Amino acid sequence: QKEVEQDPGPLSVPEGAIVSLNCTYSNSAFQYFMWYRQYSRKGPELLMYTYSSGNKEDGRFTAQVDKSSKYISLFIRDSQPSDSATYLCAMRMNTGFQKLVFGTGTRLLVSP
Amino acid sequence: DAGVTQSPTHLIKTRGQQVTLRCSPKSGHDTVSWYQQALGQGPQFIFQYYEEEERQRGNFPDRFSGHQFPNYSSELNVNALLLGDSALYLCASSRELGSTDYGYTFGSGTRLTVV
Repeated sequence: QKEVEQDPGPLSVPEGAIVSLNCTYSNSAFQYFMWYRQYSRKGPELLMYTYSSGNKEDGRFTAQVDKSSKYISLFIRDSQPSDSATYLCAMRMNTGFQKLVFGTGTRLLVSP
Repeated sequence: DAGVTQSPTHLIKTRGQQVTLRCSPKSGHDTVSWYQQALGQGPQFIFQYYEEEERQRGNFPDRFSGHQFPNYSSELNVNALLLGDSALYLCASSRELGSTDYGYTFGSGTRLTVV
């Protein structure tokens, strides 16, 4: 079993839709949770990070962490064609080392 | 402010050869991590360098080695290349734990193809 599970998609939505992306994980030691966006042939770009449980909002993006269920989500409101990319969840433990454990990524396609 | 710079962008090597990939971290960052991203997969941690020492290593064979220089730049070396080493190799820089900067800045990667 992988430490982090993520549906690879693709997820196809029309422009303006609300998008929900999710990951589950098995290691209860994870404390920092991140969402990265990766365009084709580019490196991952940090979108959101959250420490422990709770919600965090930034513009059209909302990240949620439910540590009791080992479940994290990213919501995108008013999705745009420019949001079409692969979204990677990543997490790490609260130790001195900063190794990130990634999901496989969900490919999102937003059609005009 | 320059982000993480990786070179080369693309590389084609023959099975059995050796390759060196290079990374310059973001200004102000002192820690460099390397990740391997196979097609359709998430990045997998290879190792991390801090103060010119390998601090943590993922589940990769000894054919993968690295180095960090005094200016914080880093190299990833892979010996005896296998077809399965074909992937996008990503460098990520960060500041040492203790800062409030939790951002891991990734470069655009080096796409390695082994034929």
